[in-house]
Amino acid sequence: EAQVTQNPRYLITVTGKKLTVTCSQNMNHEYMSWYRQDPGLGLRQIYYSMNVEVTDKGDVPEGYKVSRKEKRNFPLILESPSPNQTSLYFCASSDLSGGNEKLFFGSGTQLSVL
Amino acid sequence: GESVGLHLPTLSVQEGDNSIINCAYSNSASDYFIWYKQESGKGPQFIIDIRSNMDKRQGQRVTVLLNKTVKHLSLQIAATQPGDSAVYFCAEKSGGYQKVTFGTGTKLQVIP
Repeated sequence: EAQVTQNPRYLITVTGKKLTVTCSQNMNHEYMSWYRQDPGLGLRQIYYSMNVEVTDKGDVPEGYKVSRKEKRNFPLILESPSPNQTSLYFCASSDLSGGNEKLFFGSGTQLSVL
Repeated sequence: GESVGLHLPTLSVQEGDNSIINCAYSNSASDYFIWYKQESGKGPQFIIDIRSNMDKRQGQRVTVLLNKTVKHLSLQIAATQPGDSAVYFCAEKSGGYQKVTFGTGTKLQVIP
């Protein structure tokens, strides 16, 4: 089944404790992206990657890191989480070929930073 | 997720009626528009898209209308069903794919 898989689904942590949210897709998509979703603000892009070893900042990159060492994986790293990073996070992917630009989203990671 | 429903405009529709969800987009240079559906506890799911050289596109029970003059996008759902209850987001893209901007969403409630 074609899908984007995020882990964990729920995460509670404390300020300053490094964490990684994993994202994997099995569709051989070039493009992957991370979003955070907050009430009243919709989905905001954190980082995106056009292909392996190619990443760039989205609209709200502060406090986050990403890496793209393999095509299928795009982990989101919070080196020193803070309470304002409490949010619902989504990973997404797209193949960008033939004008097919729709995003496939994971099920989300609900992060709480205490 | 559960927090998505807060602060959202809500549209309540009787089962079987047609629904119209509206979206005002911001960038006159946007060339591609997408509607996503997000059910509670799930990630957004693609519904239908339209390019700026079109003003209407139809799918199965859904129609998207684009009015570039007033920068307005609408999603019409025919014969609304309980399974259509969700939050609906419009998104616009301009230039390269990296710049996709999402709206804040509209919650659709279907009354049985």
